[in-house]
Amino acid sequence: GDSVTQTEGLVTLTKGLPVMLNCTYQTTYSPFLFWYVQHLNEAPKLLLKSSTDNKRTEHQGFYATLHKSSSSFHLQKSSVQLSDSALYFCALSDGTNTGKLTFGDGTVLTVKP
Amino acid sequence: EAAVTQSPRSKVAVTGGKVTLSCHQTNNHDYMYWYRQDTGHGLRLIHYSYVADSTEKGDIPDGYKASRPSQENFSLILELASLSQTAVYFCASSRWGASAETLYFGSGTRLTVL
Repeated sequence: GDSVTQTEGLVTLTKGLPVMLNCTYQTTYSPFLFWYVQHLNEAPKLLLKSSTDNKRTEHQGFYATLHKSSSSFHLQKSSVQLSDSALYFCALSDGTNTGKLTFGDGTVLTVKP
Repeated sequence: EAAVTQSPRSKVAVTGGKVTLSCHQTNNHDYMYWYRQDTGHGLRLIHYSYVADSTEKGDIPDGYKASRPSQENFSLILELASLSQTAVYFCASSRWGASAETLYFGSGTRLTVL
């Protein structure tokens, strides 16, 4: 079955530094990948999504590129802010037109002053 | 922006008791979902629905029932709550079930089963 792997459970950085959160996936379908962000005590919200191979997708300073050759969709930002502290989920659509998503375990990003 | 409202925000239940979690959306979306979130794990799909009066099993449906009496409302029912069902539950909606569709989540219900 489909799976999504996020290798870092917790990432702690100082404000202003770059960050990359890893996401790899396995699927037999044509992949559609998502990043959702969940701030403390809030609902998860879409950050960005893509199904286009080798095209960079950007939103709110974050960016990711889907690489089908390596089954990856890593999330990056060049300079993190305190407000970026949150739980980040990578998710994969199952390609069956049911809207069902397979989520990774999530990465908690903590940004320190 | 899409609006999904869950109630209650938190609940404490006793083992063996019945629990009903409610979800209401005002987005006119066809699809609604119930996900479960455990500490250290991602969201896992319990049940979903694409039309009123019909529900479908997700990846972890055992111990849960779902009800979709109208397009706007989707409930999750635990007939016999167990300790292992302690978790945060999220309801979500999407316009259609297409692969590219964005899910709009509610704020979650924290359920503690004692």
